[in-house]
Amino acid sequence: EVQLLDSGGGLVQPGGSLRLSCAASGFTFSSYAMSWVRQAPGKGLEWVSSISGGGGYTYYADSVKGRFTISRDKTKNTLNLQMNSLRAEDTAVYYCARLPTVVSPEGFFDSWGQGTLVTVSS
Amino acid sequence: DIQMTQSPSTLSASVGDRVTITCRASQSISSWLAWYQQKPGKAPKLLIYDASSLESGVPSRFSGSGSGTEFTLSISSLQPDDFATYYCQQYNSYSGTFGQGTKVEIK
Repeated sequence: EVQLLDSGGGLVQPGGSLRLSCAASGFTFSSYAMSWVRQAPGKGLEWVSSISGGGGYTYYADSVKGRFTISRDKTKNTLNLQMNSLRAEDTAVYYCARLPTVVSPEGFFDSWGQGTLVTVSS
Repeated sequence: DIQMTQSPSTLSASVGDRVTITCRASQSISSWLAWYQQKPGKAPKLLIYDASSLESGVPSRFSGSGSGTEFTLSISSLQPDDFATYYCQQYNSYSGTFGQGTKVEIK
């Protein structure tokens, strides 16, 4: 059974940093591209970033480019999102999600983590 | 960027009703469209991909159709477990834009 377990969320001040993680199990981690999708309180879904199965290709939404860095650790089967220079508008539940592709970032999300809440506030 | 517009934003229906939700893309996305169901406090769940392919384990009362710029999600006979918010998502481009959501409420 595919399982994705999100962690690392919390309260952080504007301008601060936070690192999210997603522990993957039940599938061959390196065979799938992975993404982060976020949802602001009471709002819709927004794609944030994707990374290829091998980790060599990364993609970002314009709203986070230059501030967020996606990475993956194949030894730990973990997806990470390093978030720097956080803003109030980054407040959201962050979900990791699996793409049914190895390299291409274009796809639907067939499995999701449970989400972790990031609150940016002073 | 490709914009996705869902209608209606809210839909009130009764158990047993047939329900249809529409999703329009700002430009052609071929059949690169998915539908998700989300319940409060939970992660989205994939229902339909490639516009009309039913994800494994999803009840057959859910169906999807369309291509190009106009798509629909239909529920043939609404069940109590189906009251939720539904999102479409295009994946013609890697930004994976979602629609704003349609909340299906109990009438």
